[in-house]
Amino acid sequence: EAGVTQFPSHSVIEKGQTVTLRCDPISGHDNLYWYRRVMGKEIKFLLHFVKESKQDESGMPNNRFLAERTGGTYSTLKVQPAELEDSGVYFCASSQGWGQSNTGELFFGEGSRLTVL
Amino acid sequence: SQQGEEDPQALSIQEGENATMNCSYKTSINNLQWYRQNSGRGLVHLILIRSNEREKHSGRLRVTLDTSKKSSSLLITASRAADTASYFCASQNAGGTSYGKLTFGQGTILTVHP
Repeated sequence: EAGVTQFPSHSVIEKGQTVTLRCDPISGHDNLYWYRRVMGKEIKFLLHFVKESKQDESGMPNNRFLAERTGGTYSTLKVQPAELEDSGVYFCASSQGWGQSNTGELFFGEGSRLTVL
Repeated sequence: SQQGEEDPQALSIQEGENATMNCSYKTSINNLQWYRQNSGRGLVHLILIRSNEREKHSGRLRVTLDTSKKSSSLLITASRAADTASYFCASQNAGGTSYGKLTFGQGTILTVHP
């Protein structure tokens, strides 16, 4: 079974440019999460999709960040325009629908490293 | 102090020794999880302990939870060089509607020397 995959693994862009990160969750996982870790800080929650709906986007830093999950499959996270402080590693995670079968475990991708120059 | 603080920040031991990492959190929780991250890779779930549990074992891992002190510890027994990684605790706060919304600690970098 394929795990959570993220693309690109590393992106280097200039301040003011746009970047779109993509996450493919494990097939059948309704829950999809975005987290990020900026340099020297802890990993922080950005938002949570249940299928195509945003369940919680309280961690999104500002309106330069836009996350979508059309059709409830893969998700994209767009940063437009990128700023220096957006540099960091963006992790995507997925989990099964919440119920008896869900153990609470999140399955993480390897992350997309974003460098804004 | 911040939610999800861990100590030590770095731990260096010899193969065969035990490694203990501690984590503190601030709010009431549903559960607390531990994850491992090898350099440049994703986070891998190790173990989850629910708020009504005090201790849990999984192979060479032992996790304890003290909700009165809002703290948890992860013990890795008989460590191996392959255990070298960063270890993070992550708490799921009680009362939230997003069950996968985790609050992470800063992590402990464990180095196991062969």
